[in-house]
Amino acid sequence: DGGITQSPKYLFRKEGQNVTLSCEQNLNHDAMYWYRQDPGQGLRLIYYSQIVNDFQKGDIAEGYSVSREKKESFPLTVTSAQKNPTAFYLCASSRVGIGTEAFFGQGTRLTVV
Amino acid sequence: AQSVTQPDIHITVSEGASLELRCNYSYGATPYLFWYVQSPGQGLQLLLKYFSGDTLVQGIKGFEAEFKRSQSSFNLRKPSVHWSDAAEYFCAVGAGNAGNMLTFGGGTRLMVKP
Repeated sequence: DGGITQSPKYLFRKEGQNVTLSCEQNLNHDAMYWYRQDPGQGLRLIYYSQIVNDFQKGDIAEGYSVSREKKESFPLTVTSAQKNPTAFYLCASSRVGIGTEAFFGQGTRLTVV
Repeated sequence: AQSVTQPDIHITVSEGASLELRCNYSYGATPYLFWYVQSPGQGLQLLLKYFSGDTLVQGIKGFEAEFKRSQSSFNLRKPSVHWSDAAEYFCAVGAGNAGNMLTFGGGTRLMVKP
């Protein structure tokens, strides 16, 4: 089945540690996105990529980093510089084109302990 | 920059009753509008989308939405709510460029009373 796979579903991190969230898609989409979700705030864009080896910052990129070495993969690293990393993280992908819909993974819940 | 407002954070309706979730957007050009639904701890599923043409859009699970340019609104409706519709609903507007970065509203949590 085509889709987007995020792993792990739950992740615990100690303060001061970096952690990487995985996102893989087999939809042959060129564009991929990372969103952060906090209660009552909707989804906020962290980073996006429209093509391999290229990505741009979204609205809340500070404390995060990404890479796009393969079309299928767009991992997100939450660094120790992110002051409040506990959140639900959603990865999405879409075709590149005006108004194309985004398809979402099942999310990763990150908790800092 | 575009923005989306969902004025109602929580809504409770009785099963079988009609539903309307409000969405107002701000965007300088022709908007590309979406409604997504999210069950607890899950990703988002597309309910319907509006690009152009008929302003009344039909979606999955019996939902529909109406685009009203004069009111900058894209409200979601369902004539008869089922208990399984309890979830969080997000309205989003897409940027009219080569990518499709979505700007989301804050969401409306729907609860359904038996």
